[in-house]
Amino acid sequence: DTGVSQDPRHKITKRGQNVTFRCDPISEHNRLYWYRQTLGQGPEFLTYFQNEAQLEKSRLLSDRFSAERPKGSFSTLEIQRTEQGDSAMYLCASSLKGIWTEAFFGQGTRLTVV
Amino acid sequence: ILNVEQSPQSLHVQEGDSTNFTCSFPSSNFYALHWYRWETAKSPEALFVMTLNGDEKKKGRISATLNTKEGYSYLYIKGSQPEDSATYLCAPYSGGSNYKLTFGKGTLLTVNP
Repeated sequence: DTGVSQDPRHKITKRGQNVTFRCDPISEHNRLYWYRQTLGQGPEFLTYFQNEAQLEKSRLLSDRFSAERPKGSFSTLEIQRTEQGDSAMYLCASSLKGIWTEAFFGQGTRLTVV
Repeated sequence: ILNVEQSPQSLHVQEGDSTNFTCSFPSSNFYALHWYRWETAKSPEALFVMTLNGDEKKKGRISATLNTKEGYSYLYIKGSQPEDSATYLCAPYSGGSNYKLTFGKGTLLTVNP
């Protein structure tokens, strides 16, 4: 296993289009997180999964954002009707369950909405 | 929303200087604190996971301390090198039974040769 992978690495889309990102976590990891990072900010929590169950979604997240993790393996993050404010780095991380286990991050998907 | 504060926001030091940053977090419902280093064009990588009050962890020239009663952690870098340039993020584990990692804004360290 080579770690957490995200696809695509970069995405440029026109405002109003839908986009979908994929994250493949480390295979034995049951926790999967999505974060968004904009310039000068730390990673902002979006949502996370324990296996296939989505345990929490940020209240700051609009209904245009949805995430899935079918069968508790890979995850997808979809943004509908993209807006310029959605331009950011979208990070995925995975870990084993437990407060003492470190999270491993993918390299992120850089979204630019024009 | 968990209030995690990191200071300073950015820091410029000369090679060889020692430096430290602070992470402040609510002391109630504390479970654990993670420190991560995020170098440009790379993924964040874990440095330390700390759980107990008074914990001190060390990895090479980098060390961290934890005070859960007052809600802060310090990260120290001794003899900074240019390769230490990165954003340092802290993330307390919070949220009751559905605990999750919530990050601060980070401290951007630049070490000038």
